[in-house]
Amino acid sequence: AQKITQTQPGMFVQEKEAVTLDCTYDTSDPSYGLFWYKQPSSGEMIFLIYQGSYDQQNATEGRYSLNFQKARKSANLVISASQLGDSAMYFCAMRDDYKLSFGAGTTVTVRA
Amino acid sequence: GAVVSQHPSRVICKSGTSVKIECRSLDFQATTMFWYRQFPKKSLMLMATSNEGSKATYEQGVEKDKFLINHASLTLSTLTVTSAHPEDSSFYICSARGGTRDRGLSYTGELFFGEGSRLTVL
Repeated sequence: AQKITQTQPGMFVQEKEAVTLDCTYDTSDPSYGLFWYKQPSSGEMIFLIYQGSYDQQNATEGRYSLNFQKARKSANLVISASQLGDSAMYFCAMRDDYKLSFGAGTTVTVRA
Repeated sequence: GAVVSQHPSRVICKSGTSVKIECRSLDFQATTMFWYRQFPKKSLMLMATSNEGSKATYEQGVEKDKFLINHASLTLSTLTVTSAHPEDSSFYICSARGGTRDRGLSYTGELFFGEGSRLTVL
């Protein structure tokens, strides 16, 4: 069975600063994929970044980067230069045969 | 633009009525669609996996007779909440992965999500 853990229910960050969202996972499958999604108050799920278990380098997408530490089974999301529009709920997820298991989510509030 | 569309985005109904939510893949054939339920400020919980032309696979604890899922075509899956009660009030969201054109699956293994449907049962 898979398990995704996000231990930070909520975080505040100052505009233009970086913020790190924690995510740990547990799986016995050597092949897996890790995702981060953003869910603003409107509800839609926005794909941010993906990391494959065999990827050698940490994934980056613009201001988003994934700090992938395979041995520790962690996949933390780093948002650099935070913007007010980054305020949202963020979910870490793991893929198993294209079904996604989600963490509990972290609410990020960016302060001006 | 959106590649997966859900309708309606909001629905309010009386207790005891049935509500149908549609999930459409707009420019690709979705061989598999997934239905999730989300309570306020909570995570998404997978309810069922819907494969075109076959019966849906439900997750443990999800009532099949309560949440009817139909995937009659490669671009449409429907979730019907039968005899809805206030405890069924929730945010329901679908996702889709691609088939022959595989739009729902990029090299990242990305799935496309619908906009979600907020159900309120009075």
